[in-house]
Amino acid sequence: GENVEQHPSTLSVQEGDSAVIKCTYSDSASNYFPWYKQELGKRPQLIIDIRSNVGEKKDQRIAVTLNKTAKHFSLHITETQPEDSAVYFCAASETYGGSQGNLIFGKGTKLSVKP
Amino acid sequence: NAGVTQTPKFRVLKTGQSMTLLCAQDMNHEYMYWYRQDPGMGLRLIHYSVGEGTTAKGEVPDGYNVSRLKKQNFLLGLESAAPSQTSVYFCASSYGASGGLHEQYFGPGTRLTVT
Repeated sequence: GENVEQHPSTLSVQEGDSAVIKCTYSDSASNYFPWYKQELGKRPQLIIDIRSNVGEKKDQRIAVTLNKTAKHFSLHITETQPEDSAVYFCAASETYGGSQGNLIFGKGTKLSVKP
Repeated sequence: NAGVTQTPKFRVLKTGQSMTLLCAQDMNHEYMYWYRQDPGMGLRLIHYSVGEGTTAKGEVPDGYNVSRLKKQNFLLGLESAAPSQTSVYFCASSYGASGGLHEQYFGPGTRLTVT
């Protein structure tokens, strides 16, 4: 089945710097890669996602890139702010014989943005 | 819309006790999921349902049972709680299969402690 590895597990940056979180996946048939943000004590919320037919997607200060050949995708946050501090999870969709399945999540990255 | 709600928010059980966690969604979603979140482990799928009256096992189903008698509700049961089931439990729902590019919406979580 699908396996998702996420690095780093913790990341500390200064306010205004950029942050990059990387994930790799094992199933070459996976076609959907969402990123979720979870603030302390809150529920995970989708912040951006990318489909396998797209190499990059941007939404204001966040962007996601996908390299299907290497089977990895990354989250980029520019001009970080203290409110970006949270745990970020990547995920990849499972496939079963061509059918679409569930999400497999990475273990998360705790991002701390220091003022 | 309330979105996805969970009952209760907190619960302390003694080893061997049973309980049921209730998840409700008002978005007319077909798919519903139960995850557990443990420190450093990300979100792991326990059971899921692709429609009313159907359930299926996820990655970590042992010790749990589920039921989906109504489309809007998804119940998670612990028949004989064990300390290893101490965790934060999240319910989620989606219009279609996540592999089919449908966002999962999460509930606020239930913090369960088994002593």
